[in-house]
Amino acid sequence: GAVVSQHPSRVICKSGTSVKIECRSLDFQATTMFWYRQFPKKSLMLMATSNEGSKATYEQGVEKDKFLINHASLTLSTLTVTSAHPEDSSFYICSARDSGEQYFGPGTRLTVT
Amino acid sequence: SQQGEEDPQALSIQEGENATMNCSYKTSINNLQWYRQNSGRGLVHLILIRSNEREKHSGRLRVTLDTSKKSSSLLITASRAADTASYFCATVSNYGNNRLAFGKGNQVVVIP
Repeated sequence: GAVVSQHPSRVICKSGTSVKIECRSLDFQATTMFWYRQFPKKSLMLMATSNEGSKATYEQGVEKDKFLINHASLTLSTLTVTSAHPEDSSFYICSARDSGEQYFGPGTRLTVT
Repeated sequence: SQQGEEDPQALSIQEGENATMNCSYKTSINNLQWYRQNSGRGLVHLILIRSNEREKHSGRLRVTLDTSKKSSSLLITASRAADTASYFCATVSNYGNNRLAFGKGNQVVVIP
């Protein structure tokens, strides 16, 4: 099946710094990419939907200036957590969709100290 | 936004037994999907059932869908230790946005 990669898999950063997470579709072109956040023992919460070449659509309650999403090409989307705080610590999962199915990346564990 | 919602259960069973978990949702759906997530990992797609289907099988998995009750069940037969994971259902609504809405998840532990 299609593969979606994320980098890094784990990142620890200090409070106040920014962190960029990359999501790549490796063997298909993703017209749409999604970013989810998952708290421990909880479900996935959709943060935003991005289409290549256009601005991301953020879900209610998600700060777009805090979580910057760029979908610069059909195979790459990035999520930048700006001025990270400990409450931003979470598991971030991206997902990519071609014309049909949606494929998930392995996730990125962000810890803000 | 709509949510697929599982009954918040943690299930612990012996290897070889069947594991059943349920999911309920709130709005009209186009399809419902089940995913597995191993601890600290991404999601693996297991099975998709469309709104006009009532039952679907894939290997040791059996999914049912009752649109009148807005509920679905996932049955794993003859469970194995490797089935230990969290299982989520997710729905795609009929209302055009084609996004997955996830429920809370069921944690299944299969004891060897």
